[in-house]
Amino acid sequence: GAVVSQHPSRVICKSGTSVKIECRSLDFQATTMFWYRQFPKQSLMLMATSNEGSKATYEQGVEKDKFLINHASLTLSTLTVTSAHPEDSSFYICSASDTRTQYFGPGTRLLVL
Amino acid sequence: GQSLEQPSEVTAVEGAIVQINCTYQTSGFYGLSWYQQHDGGAPTFLSYNALDGLEETGRFSSFLSRSDSYGYLLLQELQMKDSASYFCAVREISGNTGKLIFGQGTTLQVKP
Repeated sequence: GAVVSQHPSRVICKSGTSVKIECRSLDFQATTMFWYRQFPKQSLMLMATSNEGSKATYEQGVEKDKFLINHASLTLSTLTVTSAHPEDSSFYICSASDTRTQYFGPGTRLLVL
Repeated sequence: GQSLEQPSEVTAVEGAIVQINCTYQTSGFYGLSWYQQHDGGAPTFLSYNALDGLEETGRFSSFLSRSDSYGYLLLQELQMKDSASYFCAVREISGNTGKLIFGQGTTLQVKP
């Protein structure tokens, strides 16, 4: 399977600050990447589809101004959580897709104090 | 609507065989995937079925019946390290732009 990296793996920030998470596909070019969030003991919830060179497609109920996604190259997508609040604390996971399925990065655990 | 149903919890003993079922109802279907997730980790891809039948990868096998909208993951010779959550997921669109719709996950507990 494909290798996807994510950075940082863990971040703690103060309420009101912004946090940027990077997602890289290491061994193939990904025109499409996906961003998920997961709460404890729950399933993955798709937040948005990141498209290289164009705007991201957000799922219903996800604030696009709060969760900024940029897919500047075929190997890098970034998710910026703007003006983070404690309720944004979660596990954020990206994935890159080939023609069969998606391969996930190791995830970023965000804690907003 | 779109939904995937799988059992919430399964318990089995070391060395046993366990089957985790998944039924789905989605607007499109281009394949069924299975993922394993250990506590604190990210999902790891296990298997993918696009056509009916059984796919075998070592101790893990996955089965699909498209006419029944049903699949399962079979884990053989269970080991303690297999204790994890297992998710089935349906790909709704072909190619690499297709979204995955996830089930709620099955927590597997392997006991000595």
